[in-house]
Amino acid sequence: NAGVTQTPKFQVLKTGQSMTLQCAQDMNHEYMSWYRQDPGMGLRLIHYSVGAGITDQGEVPNGYNVSRSTTEDFPLRLLSAAPSQTSVYFCASSPTGTDNSPLHFGNGTRLTVT
Amino acid sequence: AQSVTQLGSHVSVSEGALVLLRCNYSSSVPPYLFWYVQYPNQGLQLLLKYTTGATLVKGINGFEAEFKKSETSFHLTKPSAHMSDAAEYFCAVRTSGAGSYQLTFGKGTKLSVIP
Repeated sequence: NAGVTQTPKFQVLKTGQSMTLQCAQDMNHEYMSWYRQDPGMGLRLIHYSVGAGITDQGEVPNGYNVSRSTTEDFPLRLLSAAPSQTSVYFCASSPTGTDNSPLHFGNGTRLTVT
Repeated sequence: AQSVTQLGSHVSVSEGALVLLRCNYSSSVPPYLFWYVQYPNQGLQLLLKYTTGATLVKGINGFEAEFKKSETSFHLTKPSAHMSDAAEYFCAVRTSGAGSYQLTFGKGTKLSVIP
């Protein structure tokens, strides 16, 4: 049982480059989300999805794009990377995403933009 | 809007001493509350979650949290710290109600355990 799998683990980009962070879960969870973690800032929600074909913005969505074509996958796209997007990115899933349904986290992708 | 405040970005305790990590929330309606732990270079793991009606919630690894509605607090405790408890701890809140999906995290408290 793999849970939530994120790839790659590390990535270095130059300013202006684009890339996709991959996230897959094998728990048949309807809810998936992306967070970024910066020192002293905790985790901030970027985008989330409550099911295939449905996505919505979180607290810090600018510069990021998402889609949800299947229940299992929820990729995060950086369209034109900026140094401010240097961060650790976490994908998380949950059975429903509501009430006391907890999030299950991947191990993160550490992104550096130079 | 909901928010979470964790008092103290860094807490140090001696091995065997009481661990107390503070969390206060702000929510217009009774929220759902969680504590997560993050070990270095790993994702977050659920320690415990608040169950409606409960005052004391027990979690994994000997941790527990007390819900005090009057103080809007959900502090995390462990009677006796172990070296393996050294990690960063996050309190999180989700507002109850239909369509409420966002889980808001505090800024985290890094726990150091001194031998």
